[in-house]
Amino acid sequence: GAVVSQHPSRVICKSGTSVKIECRSLDFQATTMFWYRQFPKQSLMLMATSNEGSKATYEQGVEKDKFLINHASLTLSTLTVTSAHPEDSSFYICSARTGRFSNSPLHFGNGTRLTVT
Amino acid sequence: AQSVAQPEDQVNVAEGNPLTVKCTYSVSGNPYLFWYVQYPNRGLQFLLKYITGDNLVKGSYGFEAEFNKSQTSFHLKKPSALVSDSALYFCAVRDSGANNLFFGTGTRLTVIP
Repeated sequence: GAVVSQHPSRVICKSGTSVKIECRSLDFQATTMFWYRQFPKQSLMLMATSNEGSKATYEQGVEKDKFLINHASLTLSTLTVTSAHPEDSSFYICSARTGRFSNSPLHFGNGTRLTVT
Repeated sequence: AQSVAQPEDQVNVAEGNPLTVKCTYSVSGNPYLFWYVQYPNRGLQFLLKYITGDNLVKGSYGFEAEFNKSQTSFHLKKPSALVSDSALYFCAVRDSGANNLFFGTGTRLTVIP
């Protein structure tokens, strides 16, 4: 089956530093990847849609200068949390669609738990 | 506008009993409906989807879901629950004309031995 690998699984950083999270599709090409954020006991919130070779599309309320997304190839998208603050602490999950069509299911990475101290 | 409602934060069921996790949705066009399961500190795993065709959809791990257009529901079911089914379940919907997937707030299923 389709595998999405996300690294790191857990990261602790100091306030003011930047953290990069990688999302890779291991056995398929993903022209579109999605980045979600999950707060405790809440649902997933879509942050942005990442398209290979073009700028990401951010959802309303998500700061594009803070959450930098790069989709450099068909198998890799990265999310960089710049100048992280404690309120950025959360569970970040990436996903990728295996098919060309919008009704194809998403396959998710295992998530990254970010703790900013 | 798209939205998904999972009215129950928590569902408890005894092992071996049937389980139901409820989901209702709202879309302006035709719905694409999905169920995902999340284990602790893990990403989501795809269980099943409804796009078109038979209203009863069968998925992974013995789960199934029934699409009910008149009630705008897509409840997840399993005839006999296992302790290993204990997890967080998310219903999601996409309008056929849209790109984004909207998730419900999740239902924590606990199967009691």
